[in-house]
Amino acid sequence: GAGVSQSPSNKVTEKGKDVELRCDPISGHTALYWYRQSLGQGLEFLIYFQGNSAPDKSGLPSDRFSAERTGGSVSTLTIQRTQQEDSAVYLCASSLKTRSEETQYFGPGTRLLVL
Amino acid sequence: EDKVVQSPLSLVVHEGDTVTLNCSYEVTNFRSLLWYKQEKKAPTFLFMLTSSGIEKKSGRLSSILDKKELFSILNITATQTGDSAVYLCAVPPVGTYKYIFGTGTRLKVLA
Repeated sequence: GAGVSQSPSNKVTEKGKDVELRCDPISGHTALYWYRQSLGQGLEFLIYFQGNSAPDKSGLPSDRFSAERTGGSVSTLTIQRTQQEDSAVYLCASSLKTRSEETQYFGPGTRLLVL
Repeated sequence: EDKVVQSPLSLVVHEGDTVTLNCSYEVTNFRSLLWYKQEKKAPTFLFMLTSSGIEKKSGRLSSILDKKELFSILNITATQTGDSAVYLCAVPPVGTYKYIFGTGTRLKVLA
Protein backbone atom coordinates (compact mmCIF):
# COMPACT_ATOMS: atom_id res chain seq x y z
CA GLY A 1 0.00 0.00 0.00
CA ALA A 2 0.89 3.65 -0.12
CA GLY A 3 1.56 3.97 3.58
CA VAL A 4 1.66 2.14 6.88
CA SER A 5 -1.76 0.86 7.90
CA GLN A 6 -2.94 -0.23 11.31
CA SER A 7 -6.06 -1.91 12.59
CA PRO A 8 -8.27 -1.48 14.41
CA SER A 9 -8.19 2.31 14.61
CA ASN A 10 -9.89 2.19 18.00
CA LYS A 11 -10.29 -0.62 20.51
CA VAL A 12 -12.20 -0.62 23.77
CA THR A 13 -11.73 -3.63 25.97
CA GLU A 14 -12.33 -4.75 29.51
CA LYS A 15 -9.56 -5.15 32.02
CA GLY A 16 -8.15 -8.67 31.88
CA LYS A 17 -8.98 -9.33 28.24
CA ASP A 18 -6.38 -9.94 25.54
CA VAL A 19 -6.06 -7.64 22.52
CA GLU A 20 -4.28 -7.90 19.17
CA LEU A 21 -3.16 -4.88 17.21
CA ARG A 22 -2.12 -5.18 13.60
CA CYS A 23 0.40 -3.26 11.50
CA ASP A 24 0.93 -3.50 7.77
CA PRO A 25 4.16 -1.68 6.84
CA ILE A 26 5.07 0.00 3.60
CA SER A 27 5.90 -2.60 0.98
CA GLY A 28 9.64 -3.22 0.81
CA HIS A 29 10.41 -1.72 4.21
CA THR A 30 12.47 -4.21 6.14
CA ALA A 31 12.45 -2.43 9.48
CA LEU A 32 9.31 -2.23 11.62
CA TYR A 33 8.83 -0.50 14.97
CA TRP A 34 6.11 -0.38 17.60
CA TYR A 35 5.71 2.63 19.89
CA ARG A 36 3.28 3.53 22.63
CA GLN A 37 2.09 7.07 23.25
CA SER A 38 0.26 7.75 26.48
CA LEU A 39 -1.81 10.89 26.85
CA GLY A 40 0.40 13.98 26.79
CA GLN A 41 3.57 11.95 26.51
CA GLY A 42 6.17 11.38 23.85
CA LEU A 43 6.57 8.14 21.96
CA GLU A 44 7.87 5.20 23.94
CA PHE A 45 9.80 2.54 22.00
CA LEU A 46 8.42 -0.98 22.43
CA ILE A 47 9.92 -3.38 19.91
CA TYR A 48 11.86 -3.45 16.65
CA PHE A 49 11.97 -5.97 13.81
CA GLN A 50 14.54 -6.09 11.04
CA GLY A 51 14.12 -8.71 8.34
CA ASN A 52 14.61 -12.20 9.71
CA SER A 53 16.79 -11.13 12.63
CA ALA A 54 15.70 -11.65 16.20
CA PRO A 55 13.58 -8.68 17.29
CA ASP A 56 14.75 -6.18 19.87
CA LYS A 57 12.16 -6.51 22.60
CA SER A 58 13.95 -4.34 25.13
CA GLY A 59 11.20 -1.73 25.23
CA LEU A 60 8.33 -4.05 26.08
CA PRO A 61 7.01 -2.95 29.49
CA SER A 62 6.06 -6.39 30.78
CA ASP A 63 5.75 -10.02 29.76
CA ARG A 64 2.10 -9.38 28.99
CA PHE A 65 3.29 -7.69 25.81
CA SER A 66 4.49 -9.66 22.81
CA ALA A 67 4.81 -9.09 19.10
CA GLU A 68 5.48 -11.08 16.01
CA ARG A 69 6.13 -10.33 12.39
CA THR A 70 5.14 -12.90 9.84
CA GLY A 71 6.93 -13.23 6.52
CA GLY A 72 8.86 -10.06 7.12
CA SER A 73 5.76 -7.97 6.54
CA VAL A 74 2.66 -7.76 8.73
CA SER A 75 3.19 -7.46 12.47
CA THR A 76 0.87 -8.15 15.39
CA LEU A 77 1.28 -6.67 18.86
CA THR A 78 -0.52 -8.70 21.52
CA ILE A 79 -1.32 -7.48 25.01
CA GLN A 80 -2.50 -10.17 27.38
CA ARG A 81 -4.60 -9.57 30.49
CA THR A 82 -4.91 -5.87 29.71
CA GLN A 83 -4.66 -3.32 32.50
CA GLN A 84 -6.01 0.22 32.61
CA GLU A 85 -2.47 1.61 32.36
CA ASP A 86 -2.18 -0.05 28.95
CA SER A 87 -4.59 2.57 27.60
CA ALA A 88 -2.67 4.56 25.00
CA VAL A 89 -2.19 5.04 21.28
CA TYR A 90 -0.06 2.28 19.79
CA LEU A 91 1.87 3.46 16.75
CA CYS A 92 3.66 1.35 14.19
CA ALA A 93 6.37 2.68 11.90
CA SER A 94 8.46 1.24 9.13
CA SER A 95 11.64 2.27 7.39
CA LEU A 96 13.58 1.12 4.41
CA LYS A 97 16.83 0.40 6.15
CA THR A 98 18.23 -0.23 9.56
CA ARG A 99 20.48 2.77 9.82
CA SER A 100 19.52 4.88 12.77
CA GLU A 101 18.98 8.04 10.79
CA GLU A 102 16.67 6.43 8.28
CA THR A 103 13.30 8.18 8.31
CA GLN A 104 10.50 6.23 9.93
CA TYR A 105 7.03 6.39 8.43
CA PHE A 106 4.21 6.07 10.90
CA GLY A 107 0.81 4.47 10.66
CA PRO A 108 -2.35 6.13 11.98
CA GLY A 109 -2.16 4.20 15.23
CA THR A 110 -4.59 2.20 17.31
CA ARG A 111 -6.20 3.97 20.24
CA LEU A 112 -6.65 1.41 23.01
CA LEU A 113 -8.93 2.06 25.96
CA VAL A 114 -9.01 -0.46 28.77
CA LEU A 115 -12.01 -0.07 31.04
CA GLU B 1 20.80 9.24 30.22
CA ASP B 2 19.92 10.40 26.70
CA LYS B 3 17.03 12.83 26.60
CA VAL B 4 15.19 15.22 24.33
CA VAL B 5 13.35 18.22 25.76
CA GLN B 6 10.89 20.36 23.86
CA SER B 7 9.52 23.75 24.73
CA PRO B 8 7.06 25.22 25.11
CA LEU B 9 4.75 22.35 26.00
CA SER B 10 1.85 24.18 24.39
CA LEU B 11 1.25 27.34 22.47
CA VAL B 12 -1.84 29.20 21.29
CA VAL B 13 -1.49 31.81 18.54
CA HIS B 14 -3.65 33.56 15.99
CA GLU B 15 -3.54 33.03 12.26
CA GLY B 16 -0.71 34.96 10.66
CA ASP B 17 1.55 34.83 13.71
CA THR B 18 5.05 33.38 13.55
CA VAL B 19 6.02 30.68 16.02
CA THR B 20 9.31 29.18 17.11
CA LEU B 21 9.42 25.74 18.66
CA ASN B 22 12.47 24.52 20.52
CA CYS B 23 14.11 21.14 20.91
CA SER B 24 17.19 20.57 23.04
CA TYR B 25 18.95 17.28 23.37
CA GLU B 26 21.53 15.43 25.40
CA VAL B 27 22.40 12.38 23.35
CA THR B 28 25.66 10.51 23.10
CA ASN B 29 26.99 9.98 19.61
CA PHE B 30 24.57 12.38 17.97
CA ARG B 31 24.06 12.03 14.25
CA SER B 32 20.71 13.56 13.30
CA LEU B 33 17.57 15.22 14.58
CA LEU B 34 14.13 14.82 13.11
CA TRP B 35 10.96 16.87 13.32
CA TYR B 36 7.50 15.35 12.95
CA LYS B 37 4.00 16.84 12.85
CA GLN B 38 1.30 14.85 14.61
CA GLU B 39 -2.22 16.02 13.83
CA LYS B 40 -4.42 13.18 15.00
CA LYS B 41 -2.48 10.01 15.45
CA ALA B 42 0.18 9.42 12.79
CA PRO B 43 3.29 11.60 13.02
CA THR B 44 4.31 12.80 9.59
CA PHE B 45 7.92 13.55 8.74
CA LEU B 46 8.94 17.19 8.32
CA PHE B 47 12.71 17.54 8.43
CA MET B 48 15.90 15.67 9.17
CA LEU B 49 18.86 17.77 10.25
CA THR B 50 22.41 16.55 10.38
CA SER B 51 24.61 19.58 9.78
CA SER B 52 24.88 22.54 12.07
CA GLY B 53 23.83 25.93 10.78
CA ILE B 54 22.17 24.78 7.58
CA GLU B 55 18.53 25.73 7.39
CA LYS B 56 16.04 23.34 5.91
CA LYS B 57 12.93 24.92 4.47
CA SER B 58 9.59 23.71 3.23
CA GLY B 59 7.07 26.38 2.45
CA ARG B 60 6.29 28.30 5.62
CA LEU B 61 8.23 25.86 7.78
CA SER B 62 11.94 25.99 8.39
CA SER B 63 14.33 24.39 10.82
CA ILE B 64 17.92 24.75 11.85
CA LEU B 65 20.30 22.80 14.04
CA ASP B 66 22.98 24.06 16.42
CA LYS B 67 25.26 21.14 17.28
CA LYS B 68 27.43 23.26 19.56
CA GLU B 69 24.57 24.35 21.79
CA LEU B 70 22.68 21.06 21.27
CA PHE B 71 19.35 22.37 20.08
CA SER B 72 17.14 22.82 17.08
CA ILE B 73 14.33 25.23 16.32
CA LEU B 74 11.33 24.85 14.08
CA ASN B 75 9.86 28.07 12.71
CA ILE B 76 6.43 28.44 11.22
CA THR B 77 5.63 31.76 9.59
CA ALA B 78 2.18 33.11 8.70
CA THR B 79 0.53 30.34 10.69
CA GLN B 80 -2.76 28.83 9.54
CA THR B 81 -5.36 26.83 11.43
CA GLY B 82 -4.12 23.75 9.57
CA ASP B 83 -0.81 24.09 11.38
CA SER B 84 -2.53 23.13 14.63
CA ALA B 85 -0.87 19.90 15.74
CA VAL B 86 1.67 18.41 18.10
CA TYR B 87 5.21 18.89 16.84
CA LEU B 88 7.61 16.15 17.86
CA CYS B 89 11.36 16.19 17.89
CA ALA B 90 13.33 12.92 17.79
CA VAL B 91 16.98 11.99 17.97
CA PRO B 92 18.32 8.55 17.04
CA PRO B 93 21.71 8.03 18.72
CA VAL B 94 24.38 6.59 16.46
CA GLY B 95 24.35 2.84 16.41
CA THR B 96 20.75 2.47 17.52
CA TYR B 97 17.39 2.60 15.84
CA LYS B 98 15.64 3.57 19.07
CA TYR B 99 14.53 7.10 18.43
CA ILE B 100 14.37 9.24 21.54
CA PHE B 101 11.31 11.45 21.29
CA GLY B 102 10.51 14.63 23.13
CA THR B 103 7.05 15.04 24.63
CA GLY B 104 6.16 17.46 21.86
CA THR B 105 4.82 21.00 21.59
CA ARG B 106 1.06 21.29 21.14
CA LEU B 107 0.34 24.21 18.82
CA LYS B 108 -3.14 25.64 18.39
CA VAL B 109 -3.73 28.29 15.76
CA LEU B 110 -6.92 30.28 16.17
CA ALA B 111 -8.78 31.76 13.22
